[in-house]
Amino acid sequence: GAGVSQSPSNKVTEKGKDVELRCDPISGHTALYWYRQSLGQGLEFLIYFQGNSAPDKSGLPSDRFSAERTGGSVSTLTIQRTQQEDSAVYLCASTLASGGADTQYFGPGTRLTVL
Amino acid sequence: LAKTTQPISMDSYEGQEVNITCSHNNIATNDYITWYQQFPSQGPRFIIQGYKTKVTNEVASLFIPADRKSSTLSLPRVSLSDTAVYYCLVGANQGGKLIFGQGTELSVKP
Repeated sequence: GAGVSQSPSNKVTEKGKDVELRCDPISGHTALYWYRQSLGQGLEFLIYFQGNSAPDKSGLPSDRFSAERTGGSVSTLTIQRTQQEDSAVYLCASTLASGGADTQYFGPGTRLTVL
Repeated sequence: LAKTTQPISMDSYEGQEVNITCSHNNIATNDYITWYQQFPSQGPRFIIQGYKTKVTNEVASLFIPADRKSSTLSLPRVSLSDTAVYYCLVGANQGGKLIFGQGTELSVKP
């Protein structure tokens, strides 16, 4: 595709349910990042992948959050037993390489609302 | 990781030049400085990147003093469509993790 895509664009769920958010990076991009943005706030780093491995998981807020990437492409962020404080926009970005100087291309985000 | 500090908000009028300064006192030797722009309900998008001195592209200029402990994003002749949040990031050439600060919310008025 031409850019990073994310699905679903919006997700409303009930407290305690599990959700899966998907990110399709730009083809050929080796690094993939997940961020969370609460209303009116900046971006909070969650996790990044280099290929299929995740060298840095330090941003995951709790053990209810997990992410995987398969085939060096699609990534899924899973939130188990969702809580109301998980409500936010979840953004995915990809870069050609893993360097911090590489331009990050962001997807449109998934807006998660936990009732 | 180098922490960045920016003004929370700025106001400007159409046609003016806007300068947003970011402090990054703990910048490392191999860190680059990158600025992103974010409109409401969209993901951030790249504006400009530099290592030292001055960089200019069709959108903005980036001024970095010799000590690299700060940088200034300059937007010439802003328009209403430049109203957005601007983020300054400092990141190494290897090792991926980037920290976005709170950003500067720029409001351009007619």
